[in-house]
Amino acid sequence: IHMIQSPTSLSASVGDRVTIICRSSQGIGSWLAWYQQKPGRAPKVLISVASRLENGVPSRFRGRGSGTEFALTISSLQPEDFGTYYCQQGHSYPLTFGGGTRVEIK
Amino acid sequence: DVQLVESGGALVKPGGSLRLSCSTSGFAFSDAWLAWVRQAPGKGLEWVGRIKSAADNLTTDYAAALNGRFSLSRDDSKKTLYLEISSLSVGDTGLYYCATYGSARRFDHWGQGTLVTVSS
Repeated sequence: IHMIQSPTSLSASVGDRVTIICRSSQGIGSWLAWYQQKPGRAPKVLISVASRLENGVPSRFRGRGSGTEFALTISSLQPEDFGTYYCQQGHSYPLTFGGGTRVEIK
Repeated sequence: DVQLVESGGALVKPGGSLRLSCSTSGFAFSDAWLAWVRQAPGKGLEWVGRIKSAADNLTTDYAAALNGRFSLSRDDSKKTLYLEISSLSVGDTGLYYCATYGSARRFDHWGQGTLVTVSS
């Protein structure tokens, strides 16, 4: 299953609403997770099962979607939200990640 | 606290072999499904493989593109996960992370990674 993210990068201002799209090449139900990775750090899971916020993740992060189209929205971008965001499907093996979306703060 | 600490990364020549280790603490290791994810320099995340618990028959799955060169194993008595890599090529260069693979089908805890460099 191929995972395609868009855009590959974006630059936005603090307070902006930001949306990242992830599409799968076949239906994956809701088996979709989102990760944030900051430079030099391991990825951190933000959302699982498409829309479930992980413990400790700020509520400005929201995931939605099912089937083949998913979205991660940051409702009000904060300075600490810079980094690269990845989606990952857990529907079937081999597990696959999207190519990543780099988020830069203007 | 959950901790995963990778080790064993090194500079190796093409064609060589390597065994990576992931020492863990802070969770029920024997019940956990575990995985390796790698990241080439400046590139995205690539799933390598996953091993289930003994209760789930230690079943392993691997990324198809790895051509059978990778092997996951675990020692529950030592709470340690292993990754053996053979016939290393330049394309295997990268940071190798171990992670727990939770019931919601996501990688919920990660180590800091260990660097493998393949170069002549």
